[in-house]
Amino acid sequence: DAGITQSPRHKVTETGTPVTLRCHQTENHRYMYWYRQDPGHGLRLIHYSYGVKDTDKGEVSDGYSVSRSKTEDFLLTLESATSSQTSVYFCAISQDRYNSPLHFGNGTRLTVT
Amino acid sequence: RKEVEQDPGPFNVPEGATVAFNCTYSNSASQSFFWYRQDCRKEPKLLMSVYSSGNEDGRFTAQLNRASQYISLLIRDSKLSDSATYLCVVNDAGNMLTFGGGTRLMVKP
Repeated sequence: DAGITQSPRHKVTETGTPVTLRCHQTENHRYMYWYRQDPGHGLRLIHYSYGVKDTDKGEVSDGYSVSRSKTEDFLLTLESATSSQTSVYFCAISQDRYNSPLHFGNGTRLTVT
Repeated sequence: RKEVEQDPGPFNVPEGATVAFNCTYSNSASQSFFWYRQDCRKEPKLLMSVYSSGNEDGRFTAQLNRASQYISLLIRDSKLSDSATYLCVVNDAGNMLTFGGGTRLMVKP
């Protein structure tokens, strides 16, 4: 399995608080992604990164920011968590953007109360 | 219209049955196709890539039909352990990989 670690695995937080999720990879892949998965919506891309300090928005980026200061780490921040951000968050990595498959981390289950 | 569509199922089949899923995509220029398997409360895992000429991996066969813009996954001799949700993934119009909503398979004894 690809070396991808997400932390925390579970988190419960209150509306309005900031939350940061971490993704760490040991594969030295250039591309990293954050997805959220919700019933009825499937997997939706939040943000992705194509290199250190190079990031771009996905289809559901509002309310989220990301940072990538090192190849191996990709952080997802909810500046002010809302109940609509209760979801399962998956980090993924790939060698290239167009033709390589994604490999996923174990996921973070976030509940915003 | 969604860019990548799958029948959500569930497909309920007995052990030993053959079952097939289709996945349609809207962008005729799509180039990359994959099937993933996702178990309940787990991350999606790559099952197989889909190549133009079709490809097989044990009991699993994937095919691409460019003319009709769909990919298929055939599972022969279904096992209880095949019960999962199967996701198709397609390189979409923006050259990002887009996931279908998944097809749930339940294999019964």
